[in-house]
Amino acid sequence: GAVVSQHPSWVICKSGTSVKIECRSLDFQATTMFWYRQFPKQSLMLMATSNEGSKATYEQGVEKDKFLINHASLTLSTLTVTSAHPEDSSFYICSRLPAGTDTQYFGPGTRLTVL
Amino acid sequence: GENVEQHPSTLSVQEGDSAVIKCTYSDSASNYFPWYKQELGKGPQLIIDIRSNVGEKKDQRIAVTLNKTAKHFSLHITETQPEDSAVYFCAPWRSSSNTGKLIFGQGTTLQVKP
Repeated sequence: GAVVSQHPSWVICKSGTSVKIECRSLDFQATTMFWYRQFPKQSLMLMATSNEGSKATYEQGVEKDKFLINHASLTLSTLTVTSAHPEDSSFYICSRLPAGTDTQYFGPGTRLTVL
Repeated sequence: GENVEQHPSTLSVQEGDSAVIKCTYSDSASNYFPWYKQELGKGPQLIIDIRSNVGEKKDQRIAVTLNKTAKHFSLHITETQPEDSAVYFCAPWRSSSNTGKLIFGQGTTLQVKP
């Protein structure tokens, strides 16, 4: 199956700093990508959807100025958590949807801990 | 929007027994029905999926059945093994929506006792 990587796999930062998470497709190009957030013992909640060449569409309640998404290319996208606070501590997972398909492939996730 | 419910929320079985998880959805236009397995600290992995023109699909010990009339689909795992222990999510969606937006069920924690 398709391979999606994320970097870093875990990060610890101080409150008020910004953290960038990368999501890469290793063996396919995807025009659409998604960012999810998952709190402990909960399901995945979609944060935003973006298509290459256009701005991201954020879900209700997700601050676009706090969670900056850059869909840099068909193989790389980034999520930047700006001015992180302890309540932003979570498991962030990206997924990519290859063009012309209906199957999403998920990255391994990034554990963010804000002190 | 899509409303998705999974049952049960937790399931404990003995190794070798079968496990069944049911997913109920609300959007009658949904036409793609995947099941994902998530191990602790990892991202979800697609384990099996089915499309609306098929009623059942099987892949070795795993099968998915779909009842479009009743709007539910189920994951069946036979001859369970300890490595099947994980959280399982369903995420039905409508491919014609052009959004690819998955709405996940609440998840089912499966524990297989050796």
